[in-house]
Amino acid sequence: AQKVTQAQTEISVVEKEDVTLDCVYETRDTTYYLFWYKQPPSGELVFLIRRNSFDEQNEISGRYSWNFQKSTSSFNFTITASQVVDSAVYFCALSERGGATNKLIFGTGTLLAVQP
Amino acid sequence: DTGVSQDPRHKITKRGQNVTFRCDPISEHNRLYWYRQTLGQGPEFLTYFQNEAQLEKSRLLSDRFSAERPKGSFSTLEIQRTEQGDSAMYLCASSRLTGTGELFFGEGSRLTVL
Repeated sequence: AQKVTQAQTEISVVEKEDVTLDCVYETRDTTYYLFWYKQPPSGELVFLIRRNSFDEQNEISGRYSWNFQKSTSSFNFTITASQVVDSAVYFCALSERGGATNKLIFGTGTLLAVQP
Repeated sequence: DTGVSQDPRHKITKRGQNVTFRCDPISEHNRLYWYRQTLGQGPEFLTYFQNEAQLEKSRLLSDRFSAERPKGSFSTLEIQRTEQGDSAMYLCASSRLTGTGELFFGEGSRLTVL
């Protein structure tokens, strides 16, 4: 069965702190895609990143970075120098069947609260 | 892109009534998805369309739920004889047939069943 686990339900940090959101996944597919989405209070899920199972290179985009490790089935997300605008629920997701349908399985999300 | 739009944004209904939600995807997107999200949970897949064909339905989609995408453009999700357990946010997303696999989500339709 395919599953995404985000063990951290809520994280609270003070502005400018670094924070890492954990994601562990389970799949039997050899080809799959992993995603992170952000859901601000407005409710709309915003795409952040997509990685395929063959690309374990870490990625950095501004203050955001992602660490993909197949050996531990993890795809962790780090925000450097957090800002109040980063406050949101963050979801990790896994595509089914090698991404053939773009259908995603989501974790339960991590609520990040960045205090000023 | 004008984005994915959903209507209505909020719906309050009494148990036993029927409700219908509409989703207008990004115009060139072939695939359209419905998800349901309850408080404190991640979105759960309900169904998806490729053009006008409904290709997959989740077991979560009971007989009271029906979705259509008549001309491969907008989609409707109807819930008949609503129950309190149907209270949730109903999210619509769309994507291209090929490409990055990114789903573009609407802001959702929140249903409250009294």
